[in-house]
Formats: sequence, C-alpha cells, structure tokens
Amino acid sequence: TQLLEQSPQFLSIQEGENLTVYCNSSSVFSSLQWYRQEPGEGPVLLVTVVTGGEVKKLKRLTFQFGDARKDSSLHITAAQPGDTGLYLCAGADDYKLSFGAGTTVTVRA
Amino acid sequence: EAQVTQNPRYLITVTGKKLTVTCSQNMNHEYMSWYRQDPGLGLRQIYYSMNVEVTDKGDVPEGYKVSRKEKRNFPLILESPSPNQTSLYFCASSLLRVTGELFFGEGSRLTVL
Repeated sequence: TQLLEQSPQFLSIQEGENLTVYCNSSSVFSSLQWYRQEPGEGPVLLVTVVTGGEVKKLKRLTFQFGDARKDSSLHITAAQPGDTGLYLCAGADDYKLSFGAGTTVTVRA
Repeated sequence: EAQVTQNPRYLITVTGKKLTVTCSQNMNHEYMSWYRQDPGLGLRQIYYSMNVEVTDKGDVPEGYKVSRKEKRNFPLILESPSPNQTSLYFCASSLLRVTGELFFGEGSRLTVL
C-alpha cells in the first residue's frame, strides 16, 4: 500500500487544455515535494511546499498544499507537449521522504 | 556541473552473478540514497547514508548491500542477483536529509535473467 496515492495514474490531453494531478495521504507531512521525470532521466524537483494551505506558482504550474498537510495538487494551465512526463509527489516526515507511484501525463500536439 | 553519475546505465546479467552499480556525486552532499523504480510502485528506498561510514536500511533492503567509504561515492552491491531485482535503479543525493532537494542520477536499468 502506497503511503501517498496519486491520481489519476495516466492522463492524456490535447495541447492547450488544463489538467490537475492529485496527491493524497492519511499521513501528515512536514513538507511535500513535486518532481517531474522524463523518459531515460532521473526525477527533477519542481517545487517544495511547506505550509498548510500554501500555494506556489511556477509559470503555468500551480501547486497547492492542503490545509492539513496531508494532500497536494498540481494544476497545469494551457498544457504544452513539453509538459509531458511522469509527475511524482513526495512527502517528508521527520525521518524519510516517501514517494507516490506517479501520474504519467501526455500532452498531444 | 553539479551532477550524480551512475554506472552502468544498462546491464543484463544472470542470477547469482555479483554486480556493483556505482554512484558518485560532486556536490559535497552528506546524504545519499538508492531507490528502485517499478511500474505502479513508484520510487522505493533501498538504502541511505547520512554521512561517511553511516548507512541504514530503507523500505526494501533485502538482497542489497551498500558502503560509504568516501563522501562522494555510494555503490550499490547485489551479491547474488535474482530476477525480482530486475528494475530501474536511481542514486540520489541531498544537502539536507529529509526536506532537501534530491538530485538524481540518470538511472541504471538492470535485468536479471
């Protein structure tokens, strides 16, 4: 059983559409990270959210940390083919960083 | 350029033949970790190291060994590989143990026949 559940598992959309990826847990985290992984490469950090209710924006990407620090979401506005990849969330407690299984996003041109 | 380097990137081996996957980082990070990535299971931690000569088990340590004799190197050793160890392996390092950004290598795809 995954500590962090990501949904959906797969997402395929047309260029220009919006999408949201969810990361949920029954555990409280001190912080939560989002990574993007492209084929043949290792994951790369996109953002870290720390405070409950926090919202961070990176260009067309908006990240939100739930008030109770148990869940998070990633919203992409006007998706582009370059946004294609595996999106992973990772929650940190006092001792370790636990990863979700990831959401594979495909943006069709 | 700051990076984590793994070798080999691809390896096909047979059951029982010992192998080592090397990992080196040039960022002077104290924390290093090994993960395996399997479809539908995400990244699962195998072993981690807080500093030189300090290593500890992660979530799936069975069948693996590690060592940390130098700060920059953290090799993963499979003494007697089995087919269930066929996976994509990632080495990562971080300045901060838990909350810091993890820098990942490019991955090592291992197939055990």
